[in-house]
Amino acid sequence: KQEVTQIPAALSVPEGENLVLNCSFTDSAIYNLQWFRQDPGKGLTSLLLIQSSQREQTSGRLNASLDKSSGRSTLYIAASQPGDSATYLCAVRREVSGGSNYKLTFGKGTLLTVNP
Amino acid sequence: SAVISQKPSRDICQRGTSLTIQCQVDSQVTMMFWYRQQPGQSLTLIATANQGSEATYESGFVIDKFPISRPNLTFSTLTVSNMSPEDSSIYLCSVDRQGGRAFFGQGTRLTVV
Repeated sequence: KQEVTQIPAALSVPEGENLVLNCSFTDSAIYNLQWFRQDPGKGLTSLLLIQSSQREQTSGRLNASLDKSSGRSTLYIAASQPGDSATYLCAVRREVSGGSNYKLTFGKGTLLTVNP
Repeated sequence: SAVISQKPSRDICQRGTSLTIQCQVDSQVTMMFWYRQQPGQSLTLIATANQGSEATYESGFVIDKFPISRPNLTFSTLTVSNMSPEDSSIYLCSVDRQGGRAFFGQGTRLTVV
């Protein structure tokens, strides 16, 4: 059974700091890994998607890396801003038997607070 | 991308009653997914809704408690039946796009009193 762990559970940083969020998974047989942002009481916003064959993806100040063999991914946020404050979730997708239904397994998230 | 409209965004309900959550997608999709996020926890898949067939429920979730409808390729509903305070959660619908990218609705924040 796939298990996804995110460390740290919470992080508080001053504005402008660069930071790294960590995600680890127990089963390396994944199809892809996706990072999301969730604001309090809201839905999920997709940030970055890394396919199993890729090593990293970048979007603006965000960079996500994937080391499938070691079961790890990191989300790097450069020059953090108060508007980045949210919960960041990672999710891995693997193929369920039959190939027609892929399921996501989520971590519990990292609550990020960026202080002005 | 995908635009998913989910409503209501939040509700406060009396125990013993039922609430139906609606999810509308901007284009046709084969599968729609329903998740629950209990306070302080991560997302757990409730069921997969396929158009034209019965929904597929995950372990621990049953149709009597969470009936799902999927009348067409852009719409689905999830009903939370006979609610108790333990059902207080955020409920989310989701679809997949090309490359296996998941998109989510805005979520329904349910409080049962």
